[in-house]
Amino acid sequence: DQQVKQNSPSLSVQEGRISILNCDYTNSMFDYFLWYKKYPAEGPTFLISISSIKDKNEDGRFTVFLNKSAKHLSLHIVPSQPGDSAVYFCAASAKFSGGYNKLIFGAGTRLAVHP
Amino acid sequence: DAGVIQSPRHEVTEMGQEVTLRCKPISGHDYLFWYRQTMMRGLELLIYFNNNVPIDDSGMPEDRFSAKMPNASFSTLKIQPSEPRDSAVYFCASSLAGQGSPTGELFFGEGSRLTVL
Repeated sequence: DQQVKQNSPSLSVQEGRISILNCDYTNSMFDYFLWYKKYPAEGPTFLISISSIKDKNEDGRFTVFLNKSAKHLSLHIVPSQPGDSAVYFCAASAKFSGGYNKLIFGAGTRLAVHP
Repeated sequence: DAGVIQSPRHEVTEMGQEVTLRCKPISGHDYLFWYRQTMMRGLELLIYFNNNVPIDDSGMPEDRFSAKMPNASFSTLKIQPSEPRDSAVYFCASSLAGQGSPTGELFFGEGSRLTVL
């Protein structure tokens, strides 16, 4: 049962244009959301996050939008650069039984930014 | 500063053999996580430790999998006996706070790619 879904396994975007990566979740208890970026042969690295009390968080070229009613979040990259080519993982956090936070990752979306 | 260090980077073994993956977390981090990455399921949490104590091992797929953290600077993930379906990239990560909290950014190692023939 995938609680965090990234339905697009891949995305191709031209350099300079906007990249939009989407993520859907099913558990309304999730209260914190993160995006991680992964280059080949490296571990994922934290990119940006958003709390459920917000609907937008911006950091330079990266903006994450949260639509709680639709249980949907998206990552916007503007403008896209070739160095942004990587796999992007969406993750969501909630307190599960036992009282501790648990982070659930999606399957990832491979972004390719071409000149 | 050194990041999370994992070894080996690549492991090829035959079905039925024992596999041991190793991890050294970032000094001072008191949470350690083992994840498995597959094409179909993405990053799955296998187990995590807080102050060397296992907190949640509900993601460990079978009794063939075991993990230990004998001290704050070392952890192992063992698969015995290994099977072809265990082939994946295994990541270790550490953090200062619990995962998913606003201060709980995970720092991942470079991963151990396991191939079981």
